[in-house]
Amino acid sequence: DAGVIQSPRHEVTEMGQEVTLRCKPISGHDYLFWYRQTMMRGLELLIYFNNNVPIDDSGMPEDRFSAKMPNASFSTLKIQPSEPRDSAVYFCASTIGQDLATEAFFGQGTRLTVV
Amino acid sequence: QKEVEQNSGPLSVPEGAIASLNCTYSDRGSQSFFWYRQYSGKSPELIMFIYSNGDKEDGRFTAQLNKASQYVSLLIRDSQPSDSATYLCAPRSSASKIIFGSGTRLSIRP
Repeated sequence: DAGVIQSPRHEVTEMGQEVTLRCKPISGHDYLFWYRQTMMRGLELLIYFNNNVPIDDSGMPEDRFSAKMPNASFSTLKIQPSEPRDSAVYFCASTIGQDLATEAFFGQGTRLTVV
Repeated sequence: QKEVEQNSGPLSVPEGAIASLNCTYSDRGSQSFFWYRQYSGKSPELIMFIYSNGDKEDGRFTAQLNKASQYVSLLIRDSQPSDSATYLCAPRSSASKIIFGSGTRLSIRP
């Protein structure tokens, strides 16, 4: 398997624009996580899904953020409208729920810059 | 109280010495614990996991878990310059939620 695949790797956008980040989890993994990493706040869990259903979105900072998982092989994180404080690295990760010894496997991340 | 607490460092250790990294967590329902290493500009990668009280050794790395004290640690023996990175502690709950600490920056000085 190619691992968790995220796109784009880098995104530069202007304040107020819509941004969509994409993630393809590892085949067979039933949990998918979206994290945001900044120097100030570290690696924060935004939302996670089990079998395409959102389980906990308490980490989503505000209504400008939304996430979907229409099928087992694809998820999106959308920011609308984007703001400079959204600049961060966004990671997607996936794991297997039945095996608590299995770690979360990370994608390469998307570095978002909002100017 | 944060769910997962780590000393942010930087922790500076001479080459060849033992580096000791600590982590406390608040969710008593946490069932397994992961240590990740993250190099600058890269994704986190797994170093060790542990789910039973006591010690678990893997090469130069030893993870220690004390569920009663809600404490987990990572020891790195014979530290090498390539060990310089940020180390992230991550408990996994029974609901498979994986939360990360803010990480400890480790610097190995030659």
